[in-house]
Amino acid sequence: EAQVTQNPRYLITVTGKKLTVTCSQNMNHEYMSWYRQDPGLGLRQIYYSMNVEVTDKGDVPEGYKVSRKEKRNFPLILESPSPNQTSLYFCASSWTGGNEKLFFGSGTQLSVL
Amino acid sequence: GESVGLHLPTLSVQEGDNSIINCAYSNSASDYFIWYKQESGKGPQFIIDIRSNMDKRQGQRVTVLLNKTVKHLSLQIAATQPGDSAVYFCAENSGGSNYKLTFGKGTLLTVNP
Repeated sequence: EAQVTQNPRYLITVTGKKLTVTCSQNMNHEYMSWYRQDPGLGLRQIYYSMNVEVTDKGDVPEGYKVSRKEKRNFPLILESPSPNQTSLYFCASSWTGGNEKLFFGSGTQLSVL
Repeated sequence: GESVGLHLPTLSVQEGDNSIINCAYSNSASDYFIWYKQESGKGPQFIIDIRSNMDKRQGQRVTVLLNKTVKHLSLQIAATQPGDSAVYFCAENSGGSNYKLTFGKGTLLTVNP
């Protein structure tokens, strides 16, 4: 089944403790992206990747890192999480970005205490 | 319709009625538009998309209308069912090298049996 898989679904952590949220897609998509969703603010893009080894900042990149060492995986790294990063995170992918639909994962609910 | 702010616009309809969800987009240069449905606890799911060279596109029970003159997009759902209850987001691709989709804040559709 074609899908975008994120792990974990739920994560509770403490301020400053490094964490990684994994994202994997099995559709051979070149484009991948991370969004965060907050009440009243909608979906905001954190980082995106047009292809392997090519990543760039979205609208809200502060406090996040990403890597794209292989096409299928696009992990989101929080080196030193803070409470304002408590949010619902979505990974998404598409063939090339651009004028086409994004496929979304099921989300990761992160709470930073 | 969708708007900026903390409160999610809501639409309540009776089962079997037609629903119309509206969206105002911001960038006259946007050339691709897309509607997503998000059920509670799930990631956004693609519903239908439309390119700027069209003003109407139909899918199964759904129709998207695009009015570029007033920068307005609408989603019509025919014979609304309880399973249609969800938050609906419009998104626009405003171009640029990012090919980023910019999402609206969403509209909560509630279908009453």
